[in-house]
Amino acid sequence: AQSVTQPDIHITVSEGASLELRCNYSYGATPYLFWYVQSPGQGLQLLLKYFSGDTLVQGIKGFEAEFKRSQSSFNLRKPSVHWSDAAEYFCAVVRNQAGTALIFGKGTTLSVSS
Amino acid sequence: ETGVTQSPTHLIKTRGQQVTLRCSSQSGHNTVSWYQQALGQGPQFIFQYYREEENGRGNFPPRFSGLQVTNYSSELNVNALELDDSALYLCASSLALGGTYEQYFGPGTRLTVT
Repeated sequence: AQSVTQPDIHITVSEGASLELRCNYSYGATPYLFWYVQSPGQGLQLLLKYFSGDTLVQGIKGFEAEFKRSQSSFNLRKPSVHWSDAAEYFCAVVRNQAGTALIFGKGTTLSVSS
Repeated sequence: ETGVTQSPTHLIKTRGQQVTLRCSSQSGHNTVSWYQQALGQGPQFIFQYYREEENGRGNFPPRFSGLQVTNYSSELNVNALELDDSALYLCASSLALGGTYEQYFGPGTRLTVT
């Protein structure tokens, strides 16, 4: 069965420091992968997606992610974190039996310290 | 272009009651998905509707039901509410089945069951 694992429940990063959030997936074929961000009391906003092609994808707000098939990973990175990046981050993969439905990881909470 | 909207924002129900949550899809979209997000967890797929037909269902009991109407509004109905049904319910819309797989999320409805 498909699954998404986000090993880090909570990460604290200093403002201006770099960030990497980990995501591992379990899927037989080429996955369609996403990163979403959720601010408190808000819905989910799409940061970036990977379908095929270049394994390094760029997203909004200065985020990027790299797809590594050999490691079944799709880690999210940002070179310099801003205080406004504090939020919950979710990695997701398309559920193969039902159109565009997604399977999400449990999320990583990002705190930014000054 | 209007985004995905959901109503109500918050709702408090008693165990055993029934509830209906509503969603209005983004303009031009024809697929609606519903997710349940328990506190501290990632969203879990409930079901998806494509052109008014159910097109995939997650691991939720039959007391979770839904419908999609021609103007791409959608409803999620939950019967015989249980305490564990307390969660944020998210609606997401997308364009076409198997298209870009991008889902656009509404702000959610916070359901509390007492």
